[in-house]
Amino acid sequence: GQNIDQPTEMTATEGAIVQINCTYQTSGFNGLFWYQQHAGEAPTFLSYNVLDGLEEKGRFSSFLSRSKGYSYLLLKELQMKDSASYLCAVLDSNYQLIWGAGTKLIIKP
Amino acid sequence: GAVVSQHPSWVICKSGTSVKIECRSLDFQATTMFWYRQFPKQSLMLMATSNEGSKATYEQGVEKDKFLINHASLTLSTLTVTSAHPEDSSFYICSAISGIVTEAFFGQGTRLTVV
Repeated sequence: GQNIDQPTEMTATEGAIVQINCTYQTSGFNGLFWYQQHAGEAPTFLSYNVLDGLEEKGRFSSFLSRSKGYSYLLLKELQMKDSASYLCAVLDSNYQLIWGAGTKLIIKP
Repeated sequence: GAVVSQHPSWVICKSGTSVKIECRSLDFQATTMFWYRQFPKQSLMLMATSNEGSKATYEQGVEKDKFLINHASLTLSTLTVTSAHPEDSSFYICSAISGIVTEAFFGQGTRLTVV
């Protein structure tokens, strides 16, 4: 079956760095997405990786290793507004988005 | 970036009535639209996938006669919750993709409360 694993919850301190991991087992691979979702709102796009390596976009970076079925989202200089759920999703061979359960990130002052 | 507009943002309806939710791609042609349901503190659950001009493909456990999906054009898909019950109360989100996928664009979501 298809499976995406990410931690349920993480806690970090304002100004620090946090890494959210995602491992996946899917039928084929056409890219991996990271989305941010605040409670009661629709997800917002953060990143898309289809090739191995690190993609940096401001305070957020995303890494992909296709051979390991592994990705991480790195958030630097954490701000209180970064408190949200972070969803990992993989586009499989049928171009279906397979979603992880999301990681709730709690930022403390 | 591309915009997907979902309407209404929230709706309260009486048990037994039907509710229609619209999802429009405003500046691109959405070849495929996805409908998700999200319960509190849970991830997105795919309900169905619809391609323009063809019948929607429903996920296992989703009643196609209860959740009617129409994707009549490349810019509009609708989800109708028929004979709604309190257990249908949830956050419904649509998503659209076009051609080569590098991003899935989401609507704002619809908070449905059935009383």
